[in-house]
Amino acid sequence: GDSVTQTEGLVTLTEGLPVMLNCTYQSTYSPFLFWYVQHLNEAPKLLLKSFTDNKRPEHQGFHATLHKSSSSFHLQKSSAQLSDSALYYCACSSNTNKVVFGTGTRLQVLP
Amino acid sequence: ETAVFQTPNYHVTQVGNEVSFNCKQTLGHDTMYWYKQDSKKLLKIMFSYNNKQLIVNETVPRRFSPQSSDKAHLNLRIKSVEPEDSAVYLCASSWDSANTEVFFGKGTRLTVV
Repeated sequence: GDSVTQTEGLVTLTEGLPVMLNCTYQSTYSPFLFWYVQHLNEAPKLLLKSFTDNKRPEHQGFHATLHKSSSSFHLQKSSAQLSDSALYYCACSSNTNKVVFGTGTRLQVLP
Repeated sequence: ETAVFQTPNYHVTQVGNEVSFNCKQTLGHDTMYWYKQDSKKLLKIMFSYNNKQLIVNETVPRRFSPQSSDKAHLNLRIKSVEPEDSAVYLCASSWDSANTEVFFGKGTRLTVV
């Protein structure tokens, strides 16, 4: 089955610095990749998803590029904001009824 | 804007009791899910239903049983809860496609004492 590996634990950085959260995947098929974000006491919600035509998805300043050669879909942002502090999940789907999530990476942005 | 509704928000119960959680989605989606988010924030799928039919049933204890009356509702019953069942249970829904967004409810936090 599909599996996702992402930066574990807590990533702490100062406001204004670039963000990069790693995500790699394993799948028998050509999966779709997603990043979900969960703010404190809220539901996880979609941040980005991969395109079939290799376009780079962007949302709220975040972007991610699907590299099939390295099975990666790292999340990046050029300048972190305090409001970016949240839990980020990378997810993978190659099956219509099952989305597999990584372990989650907590991002803490400090002033 | 919330479109996946879960009740209750919180539930505290004793070991051995039975609990039921409700979930309704108003998005017209074909597929609904139950996920368990544990204290380490691991998010693991438990069940997946497509048009009222069970599609995915991960390895969960038999005391967990999903119930679906129609494609907009998916409830979860836990018979005889145990301490390790303490977690946040997230209901979700999506269209029946691999490249589709999953919409989550806010979750039900279960504490077993």
